Amino acid sequence: SQQGEEDPQALSIQEGENATMNCSYKTSINNLQWYRQNSGRGLVHLILIRSNEREKHSGRLRVTLDTSKKSSSLLITASRAADTASYFCATAGTSGTYKYIFGTGTRLKVLA
Amino acid sequence: DAGVIQSPRHEVTEMGQEVTLRCKPISGHDYLFWYRQTMMRGLELLIYFNNNVPIDDSGMPEDRFSAKMPNASFSTLKIQPSEPRDSAVYFCASIQRSNQPQHFGDGTRLSIL
Repeated sequence: SQQGEEDPQALSIQEGENATMNCSYKTSINNLQWYRQNSGRGLVHLILIRSNEREKHSGRLRVTLDTSKKSSSLLITASRAADTASYFCATAGTSGTYKYIFGTGTRLKVLA
Repeated sequence: DAGVIQSPRHEVTEMGQEVTLRCKPISGHDYLFWYRQTMMRGLELLIYFNNNVPIDDSGMPEDRFSAKMPNASFSTLKIQPSEPRDSAVYFCASIQRSNQPQHFGDGTRLSIL
């Protein structure tokens, strides 16, 4: 399957530290998206990176994409307690672009 | 914009009962998705619609599951009869067009006893 896998499964850091999460996928993609999910809530879109892009920034978020390794990373700088959530990557294939495949998620806990 | 609205937020029912989950997508969004989230299997795409027409239902687990979209502002996911293994959080999401971020509702937490 094309399902992505996030690494690590869980991460615990102190407020102010940086958090890095990785995502690997299996087939060619059109784009890759990162989402955040707070407990008991739906997923919220963070950032989308297209297959021809290598890096993208949004506020304290930095996403990289390496299509040769079929991997992506999400960096959250200067983390805050409010960043505590689960983070998922989602890929859209080159065919069937509407079928987004979500990874298994990284549970991030930021300690105040 | 009110976002994607799902109802009910929580549903507890007994095995064998019919369950209907509801979703109102964001106005103007042409695509609607139903997902199921469990600890064991993560987030799974069940079915998606384009302009109210089901395009891909290959993720629907069994014939007990059915989904409809009678108009652009309303969709239902029905389970009949329900079984304990159907217990999960069911999400609805919508997008305006391809390569756009998905907008998720807050989900329906379903417990089948």
